[in-house]
Amino acid sequence: AQKVTQAQTEISVVEKEDVTLDCVYETRDTTYYLFWYKQPPSGELVFLIRRNSFDEQNEISGRYSWNFQKSTSSFNFTITASQVVDSAVYFCALSEAPGNTPLVFGKGTRLSVIA
Amino acid sequence: GAVVSQHPSRVICKSGTSVKIECRSLDFQATTMFWYRQFPKQSLMLMATSNEGSKATYEQGVEKDKFLINHASLTLSTLTVTSAHPEDSSFYICSARQDRPEQYFGPGTRLTVT
Repeated sequence: AQKVTQAQTEISVVEKEDVTLDCVYETRDTTYYLFWYKQPPSGELVFLIRRNSFDEQNEISGRYSWNFQKSTSSFNFTITASQVVDSAVYFCALSEAPGNTPLVFGKGTRLSVIA
Repeated sequence: GAVVSQHPSRVICKSGTSVKIECRSLDFQATTMFWYRQFPKQSLMLMATSNEGSKATYEQGVEKDKFLINHASLTLSTLTVTSAHPEDSSFYICSARQDRPEQYFGPGTRLTVT
């Protein structure tokens, strides 16, 4: 069975602080995909990144970076120099190969960035 | 690219009536579409998976006669909530994918049943 755990329910930081959102997953498959989505107050989920299980390279995109570690089954997300516009709920999700399977979502982490 | 629209964005209906929600992939052909439901401050709950031209696959506990899903084309899926009741009030979100694993989400439809 698949499971995604986001232990942090809510995080509050002051603008310009760095913040890391944790994600731990469980799956029996050897091939799977991991995702992060952002849900701002408007409600629409925005795709941020997809990682394949066979690619453990970390990724950086502007102020966003992701740390994928299969040894600890974690896929953590760091926002550097946070901004008020980063305030949202962030969801980590998992799907098994071949990729047309539904996403299994974590419960989400609500990030509040205070000016 | 990869834009998904949903219509309507908000709907208020009376108990006992039916409501149809449309989900469209605007710039790609969606091989698979998904329907989710989200209660306030909770995660997304998958309701069903639909592939164009075939019957939707519903998750356990989701009434297929109450939540009718039609995936008539590669760019359109509809969810009809039949005989809606106040407990059906929720935020309904669709997603679509083409030939890659990531799903692209619509903006959601907030349904209120009075």
